[in-house]
Amino acid sequence: GAVVSQHPSRVICKSGTSVKIECRSLDFQATTMFWYRQFPKKSLMLMATSNEGSKATYEQGVEKDKFLINHASLTLSTLTVTSAHPEDSSFYICSARSGTSGLNTGELFFGEGSRLTVL
Amino acid sequence: EDQVTQSPEALRLQEGESSSLNCSYTVSGLRGLFWYRQDPGKGPEFLFTLYSAGEEKEKERLKATLTKKESFLHITAPKPEDSATYLCAVQASLNAGGTSYGKLTFGQGTILTVHP
Repeated sequence: GAVVSQHPSRVICKSGTSVKIECRSLDFQATTMFWYRQFPKKSLMLMATSNEGSKATYEQGVEKDKFLINHASLTLSTLTVTSAHPEDSSFYICSARSGTSGLNTGELFFGEGSRLTVL
Repeated sequence: EDQVTQSPEALRLQEGESSSLNCSYTVSGLRGLFWYRQDPGKGPEFLFTLYSAGEEKEKERLKATLTKKESFLHITAPKPEDSATYLCAVQASLNAGGTSYGKLTFGQGTILTVHP
């Protein structure tokens, strides 16, 4: 299947700093990428949907200024956690849908996830 | 609001002991129900998509079925390598509106442990 790569897989930062997580589709063009957050033993919670070349659409309760999303190309989306605090510590996962897969999100491919720890 | 509830939260099986995982859902028009497998510290891995009641899909020791209210993931003669968290997700039909095109709503998952 298609490959989605996330980097870094683990990051530890100090409170108040900003952290950028990259999500790349390696062998297909991703017109839409989704960013999820997952707490231990909890479900994946959709944070935002990013479409290439346009502003991200955020889910209710997700701070736009806190979680900056950029989808500058068909193969790269970035999530920047600004002024991170310990409560932002979590597992962040991106997923991407091929531009040719239409509405079938069964063809939604997930990255390996990024574990953020804010001290 | 779309809701997905999975049960049990955790399931321990002996190798070879078949069982089923449940996914109950409420959605404003189901477009698709998806099963994923997630290993610790990894992203979800796609298993199946089901679109209509009565549909079944199989892959190795796994079989997924769908009714109008729930889906089951049957595991036949499981092996230790089947140990993982199994996630169920639903996608509402486009007419339901919403801000996230193609959005999936996930259940909390069932942690499956298969002992040798």
